[in-house]
Amino acid sequence: GESVGLHLPTLSVQEGDNSIINCAYSNSASDYFIWYKQESGKGPQFIIDIRSNMDKRQGQRVTVLLNKTVKHLSLQIAATQPGDSAVYFCAETSQPHTGNQFYFGTGTSLTVIP
Amino acid sequence: DSGVTQTPKHLITATGQRVTLRCSPRSGDLSVYWYQQSLDQGLQFLIQYYNGEERAKGNILERFSAQQFPDLHSELNLSSLELGDSALYFCASSMTGLPYEQYFGPGTRLTVT
Repeated sequence: GESVGLHLPTLSVQEGDNSIINCAYSNSASDYFIWYKQESGKGPQFIIDIRSNMDKRQGQRVTVLLNKTVKHLSLQIAATQPGDSAVYFCAETSQPHTGNQFYFGTGTSLTVIP
Repeated sequence: DSGVTQTPKHLITATGQRVTLRCSPRSGDLSVYWYQQSLDQGLQFLIQYYNGEERAKGNILERFSAQQFPDLHSELNLSSLELGDSALYFCASSMTGLPYEQYFGPGTRLTVT
């Protein structure tokens, strides 16, 4: 089956620095890649998504980069704030509009040091 | 607050029992997804419903079943419970046309003793 794996299980950054969270995926057929944030005691929260025909997408303080050649996805958070402390998951799916499974990575725990 | 509600928040039951978890999606969302989150397995996709019909199936055990009702709320039924079924169960919903932008509920923590 497909697997989505994260390179680093934990990441600590100073407040104000930029954070980069990485993710590797294995299914070349995946069409969409999604980043979720999960704070302690809460459900995952959608951050940003990127389609396979793009290599970069920007949101508010976040940028997702997709490198299909090496099957790598990253989430960059600019000017990291204490409220960004959470576990970040990447997810992949193919043809979600027709119904398909979503595969989540194991997650990276981000800690922001004030 | 995502707009997705789940009940109950916590559930403690014994092995062999059956439980029902309930989910109400965000207003207007037709798709409902169920996930299991455990420490050793991470977040696992179980099943998706769209407007009352099963749309996609993931790693859902035969002991588990789900349905989506005409009012769009969904229930996940877990039977013959085992210790390994202890986990957080999340429901998520999405708008038609945006299946990758899912909104998760707060989850139901199931403990099987």
